[in-house]
Amino acid sequence: GAVVSQHPSRVICKSGTSVKIECRSLDFQATTMFWYRQFPKKSLMLMATSNEGSKATYEQGVEKDKFLINHASLTLSTLTVTSAHPEDSSFYICSAREARGQTQYFGPGTRLLVL
Amino acid sequence: QKEVEQNSGPLSVPEGAIASLNCTYSDRGSQSFFWYRQYSGKSPELIMFIYSNGDKEDGRFTAQLNKASQYVSLLIRDSQPSDSATYLCAVIGSYQLTFGKGTKLSVIP
Repeated sequence: GAVVSQHPSRVICKSGTSVKIECRSLDFQATTMFWYRQFPKKSLMLMATSNEGSKATYEQGVEKDKFLINHASLTLSTLTVTSAHPEDSSFYICSAREARGQTQYFGPGTRLLVL
Repeated sequence: QKEVEQNSGPLSVPEGAIASLNCTYSDRGSQSFFWYRQYSGKSPELIMFIYSNGDKEDGRFTAQLNKASQYVSLLIRDSQPSDSATYLCAVIGSYQLTFGKGTKLSVIP
């Protein structure tokens, strides 16, 4: 099956710093990647949809200047949490959709803790 | 607003029994249907997808789709304790994958 990787798997940072998370599709080309956030015991929440070569589409209530998304190639999308605060601590998960399909494959997630 | 509804559970079944997970969706134009499994603290993992009315079997898993009733289900035969997880139903309409809130399944040894 298709494999999606994320890096780092876990990050701890100080309040006010920026954190970059990478999402890669390892064995397929992904024209569309998605970024989700999940708080403990809560549902997945879609943050934004990222299309290769164009600006990301953010869901209502998600600050685009705080969560910067770059989808520079068909295999890589990055999410940068700028000026992170403790309330940004969460589980961030990316998923990728094949260029010729509808199936979304999830990365293993990145656990962010902001102190 | 496109909605995907699941019973949040928890659904408890004894080991070896059949677990039945249900999902309804509001968008009649939905084309593709997916079941993901999410263990606590992990990301979702694709189990099955189904596009056509009827049943689709893969090992111990059977997905059932009834587009007229806007209903999709997942049956897990011979349930094992390792099947204990949250099961997410997801539906694609015109573009975006919409998830249900998930059903928590507990398989009791």
